[in-house]
Amino acid sequence: AQSVTQLDSQVPVFEEAPVELRCNYSSSVSVYLFWYVQYPNQGLQLLLKYLSGSTLVKGINGFEAEFNKSQTSFHLRKPSVHISDTAEYFCAVSRQGGKLIFGQGTELSVKP
Amino acid sequence: DGGITQSPKYLFRKEGQNVTLSCEQNLNHDAMYWYRQDPGQGLRLIYYSQIVNDFQKGDIAEGYSVSREKKESFPLTVTSAQKNPTAFYLCASGGRGLTGELFFGEGSRLTVL
Repeated sequence: AQSVTQLDSQVPVFEEAPVELRCNYSSSVSVYLFWYVQYPNQGLQLLLKYLSGSTLVKGINGFEAEFNKSQTSFHLRKPSVHISDTAEYFCAVSRQGGKLIFGQGTELSVKP
Repeated sequence: DGGITQSPKYLFRKEGQNVTLSCEQNLNHDAMYWYRQDPGQGLRLIYYSQIVNDFQKGDIAEGYSVSREKKESFPLTVTSAQKNPTAFYLCASGGRGLTGELFFGEGSRLTVL
């Protein structure tokens, strides 16, 4: 069975600092990987996705993530965060034809 | 614009009342999903439908019911049997691609008084 673990429930960071949100998954087969962002009282928006090809994936709002098959990780990074990046971030995994499985979420809090 | 519309955005109900949350999509997606979100618990799947007139239970279906009579619509009824219905409910849809990527509505916040 697949599962997704987001290693940090909350990540506080100062504005303009770099940030990394960690995600590990377990699956014995090839998977597709996603990061979604949720602003307060809103639905989820897709930040980026890994389907195949280059392991470094660039998304919207300056975010990027790296797929590491040997470590079964898909960590999300941004070199310099803004106050507007304050939100909850969800890592998700699926396999071909399967359902999307979500992690528990990481609350990113950017402080001035 | 193509997208998913959920209504109402906020809903208050008394205990013991059934409530129905609406979800409509114009993305021509075959699959539709309902998730429940509670603080610190991520998203939990309630029901999903991969084709009209068919749906399957998710991980927490007890106390909920759905219908899928049209491709565009997937309403969720929160029944009086649901023991703790206060939550944020998210509807999503997915296309024919096999990647599992989902598109979400803005959510409906249900508060039971």
